Amino acid sequence: DADVTQTPRNRITKTGKRIMLECSQTKGHDRMYWYRQDPGLGLQLIYYSFDVKDINKGEISDGYSVSRQAQAKFSLSLESAIPNQTALYFCATSDFAGNEQFFGPGTRLTVL
Amino acid sequence: GEDVEQSLFLSVREGDSSVINCTYTDSSSTYLYWYKQEPGAGLQLLTYIFSNMDMKQDQRLTVLLNKKDKHLSLRIADTQTGDSAIYFCAEKPSGTYKYIFGTGTRLKVLA
Repeated sequence: DADVTQTPRNRITKTGKRIMLECSQTKGHDRMYWYRQDPGLGLQLIYYSFDVKDINKGEISDGYSVSRQAQAKFSLSLESAIPNQTALYFCATSDFAGNEQFFGPGTRLTVL
Repeated sequence: GEDVEQSLFLSVREGDSSVINCTYTDSSSTYLYWYKQEPGAGLQLLTYIFSNMDMKQDQRLTVLLNKKDKHLSLRIADTQTGDSAIYFCAEKPSGTYKYIFGTGTRLKVLA
C-alpha cells in the first residue's frame, strides 16, 4: 500500500465551486505539505503543517485553505475555484528533521 | 532571489549516458536532491547529496556537486527507456523548512 495517498486523483469542476482535495499518510510523519505543479514552473508550496496545531502559508496560499484533521490527514480546499487553479496538486510528508520528503501520486484538477 | 534552474529537455539514445544539470542559488543549502517523476505519478526521491560532499555514486547514478559554482549534476549511466521521465533538482537551505524545486528536465530516451 502507498505511504501517501491522495483523493481524488482527477477532478473536473466549474468556476465558483468549492472543492476539497484530501491527503492521508501512513508514515507517521509530523510534517505535511501541499504543492502545486504547473508545466515549466516546478513545484510551488501552498501550505505546510508541522503538526496538527501548526499550519503555515507557503508561497502561493491565496485562494486556498487547509485543514489538518489528524496527524495522518491534511486537506486542501479551494473555496471558490477559478480556471487558473487548474494544475497538478501534490501532497508530501516529512519527518521532524524534514530532510527527505515523500510525495503522493498527485491530483489533477481542471477548473472550467 | 530563490531560483533553481534546469534545462527543460534532454534527449539521449538508449545505452548512452545522460547528464542533467542544475544551478541553485542558496550557498547555505545543506541538502541537494534529485527527484524523478514518471507520467501520472508523484515525485520519487532518487538520491541526495550533502553539501560537504563533491560526489555521490549509487549504482547507475552519479551526482556531482560544485559548491563554488552552485552547480549540481545527475549522470545516469547506460540510460534505459524506463529512465524517461521528468527529473527535478531541489535544494533545502540550511535552517529552513523549504524545499526549492527547479522547473524539471524532461528526459526522453530513444530506442
